[in-house]
Amino acid sequence: DIQLTQSPSFLSASVGDRVTITCRASQGISSYLAWYQQKPGKAPKLLIYGASTLQSGVPSRFSGSGSGTEFTLTISSLQPEDFATYYCQQLNSYPYTFGQGTKLEIK
Amino acid sequence: QVTLRESGPALVKPTQTLTLTCTFSGFSLSTSGMCVSWIRQPPGKALEWLARIDWDDDKFYSTSLKTRLTISKDTSKNQVVLTMTNMDPVDTATFYCARGYSASSYSLDVWGKGTTVTVSS
Repeated sequence: DIQLTQSPSFLSASVGDRVTITCRASQGISSYLAWYQQKPGKAPKLLIYGASTLQSGVPSRFSGSGSGTEFTLTISSLQPEDFATYYCQQLNSYPYTFGQGTKLEIK
Repeated sequence: QVTLRESGPALVKPTQTLTLTCTFSGFSLSTSGMCVSWIRQPPGKALEWLARIDWDDDKFYSTSLKTRLTISKDTSKNQVVLTMTNMDPVDTATFYCARGYSASSYSLDVWGKGTTVTVSS
């Protein structure tokens, strides 16, 4: 199975900050990577697919990049509603796997 | 508008079989490129992908759970059913179903709200 390792696991930041979350795959997955945002008690929400394609309706302050084994999710200017947990998921091969999550907290 | 809704028992006993139903609307699972996945999340823990069924009835499973899982679909009812055998307290989790589509590289673009399952005697 392909393992995904997110870093950091916890991130403390302030409104207006630029933040970057990294997701590393244990083997190459081309661009078959998605990013999700999850708020407490809610289902995850798709932010980015294909490593860099913004899902419809997602604010442009979110962006994704990378291919192969290293990927990043960047939030250019944190808004209060962005404090949540973020997960990456690989869709290159079965079984699809998720990263362990990055919890983004208010500083 | 695409929606999915999970249903099933809130409480199961150890060793029992769990049966969950995902009822969806706004798309057809007979459309080429469509699929539905099941994902679970134990309390306070990360998401875990469980299984996927495609429009052409192809099925894919978690490596660690594949001996316990069965996924099936009833296209006429717009439902996908997941069964998990030999339930254990460590299987306590919120279970989600979600749609995937080839146009978005099979990423999970619409999720149900989830159903919480507790395994306890």
